[in-house]
Amino acid sequence: EVQLVESGGGLVKPGGSLGLSCAASGFTFNSYTMNWVRQAPGKGLEWVASISPTNSYIYYADSVKGRFTISRDNAKTSLYLQMNSLRAEDTAVYYCARDGGDAFDMWGQGTMVTVSS
Amino acid sequence: VLTQSPSASASLGASVRLTCTLTSRHSSYAIAWLQQQPEKGPRYLMKLNSDGSHTKGDGIPDRFSASSSGAERYLTISSLQSEDEAVYYCQTWGIGIHWVFGGGTKLTVL
Repeated sequence: EVQLVESGGGLVKPGGSLGLSCAASGFTFNSYTMNWVRQAPGKGLEWVASISPTNSYIYYADSVKGRFTISRDNAKTSLYLQMNSLRAEDTAVYYCARDGGDAFDMWGQGTMVTVSS
Repeated sequence: VLTQSPSASASLGASVRLTCTLTSRHSSYAIAWLQQQPEKGPRYLMKLNSDGSHTKGDGIPDRFSASSSGAERYLTISSLQSEDEAVYYCQTWGIGIHWVFGGGTKLTVL
């Protein structure tokens, strides 16, 4: 079965850190650019970060640049997001999504990150 | 870059057309339509080109179709079912180095 499964969400204090993981299965992981997208409660979708198959390019949204780090392990078919210096406005459901060549054609179920004291 | 009406409604069994409007300078861009049912992750429906040609994702029913006119991109859902009640997002790419989403249209099936 083709799927993406995120994990690692939880409650963290402002200024804290959290690491998210996304386990991929059912497709050739190392052929695809992968992304993190987030959705604040009751809000729309916001692209966060992108990483190419061999790490040739990595991009971040301005809102997370310098605080978040995207990475991947092709041998483990996994995607990661290390989030540091977290703020209240980072509270959201975080999704991993596969780039099908232009649009994001596969999504996980999401993991909730809450930043609160 | 992408504008969507916040809400739409239609009756069970009827048809509805949702609109995603690109800014004029981006009127030739392709988009993708995504569906997000309550408490679920988004689901890719299809890619829609400026000429109206579209490519559906795996398993997307024939009830879902799409078309284009100028800067407007449309998603038409026919024979509405209760499970079609969801938020529908459009997405585009290639604007700078980023991917952009519309604000979403919440579809209510009456």
